[in-house]
Amino acid sequence: AQSVTQPDIHITVSEGASLELRCNYSYGATPYLFWYVQSPGQGLQLLLKYFSGDTLVQGIKGFEAEFKRSQSSFNLRKPSVHWSDAAEYFCAVGQGAQKLVFGQGTRLTINP
Amino acid sequence: NAGVTQTPKFQVLKTGQSMTLQCAQDMNHNSMYWYRQDPGMGLRLIYYSASEGTTDKGEVPNGYNVSRLNKREFSLRLESAAPSQTSVYFCASSGGTGLPYEQYFGPGTRLTVT
Repeated sequence: AQSVTQPDIHITVSEGASLELRCNYSYGATPYLFWYVQSPGQGLQLLLKYFSGDTLVQGIKGFEAEFKRSQSSFNLRKPSVHWSDAAEYFCAVGQGAQKLVFGQGTRLTINP
Repeated sequence: NAGVTQTPKFQVLKTGQSMTLQCAQDMNHNSMYWYRQDPGMGLRLIYYSASEGTTDKGEVPNGYNVSRLNKREFSLRLESAAPSQTSVYFCASSGGTGLPYEQYFGPGTRLTVT
């Protein structure tokens, strides 16, 4: 069965610094990959997705992610974080009949 | 479009009480899902409905039942609530013209069982 690992439970960065959130997946074929963001007390919002083609995908709010098949990774990046980026971030992979498998999440704290 | 809506937003139950969480989507999606979110566990799938008239168990179905009332609505029922069911519950939907597996989430229901 597919699985998703987000190795970092909690990350703290300073406002204006760059960000990289890690995601590793296990899947035999080319996966459907997603990053979602959850602000406190809110539902999940789709940041970006990868299906095929260009391995660097752009999302909303200035985020991007790179699919690296050789490393089974789909890391999320942002060049300069803003205080409003403080949230929990979830990586997910498509599985079977229209299901998603989620990682445990990474909580991002921004220092002023 | 409202997207995915859930009611109620908050609920407190006593052990043994029952309740139904309601979910509706207006995106003409075929598939709908119920998840629970617990600290450090990510989102875990309780039940899903790939299409109207079908439902299937997910990772953590025990203690829950679901009904796909029509294409728009998918409800989750707790027949006899237990403290272990204290959680935040999310409904999601997918299908239509979106990418396969791309799911849209409701705002959640925060449930406390005492």
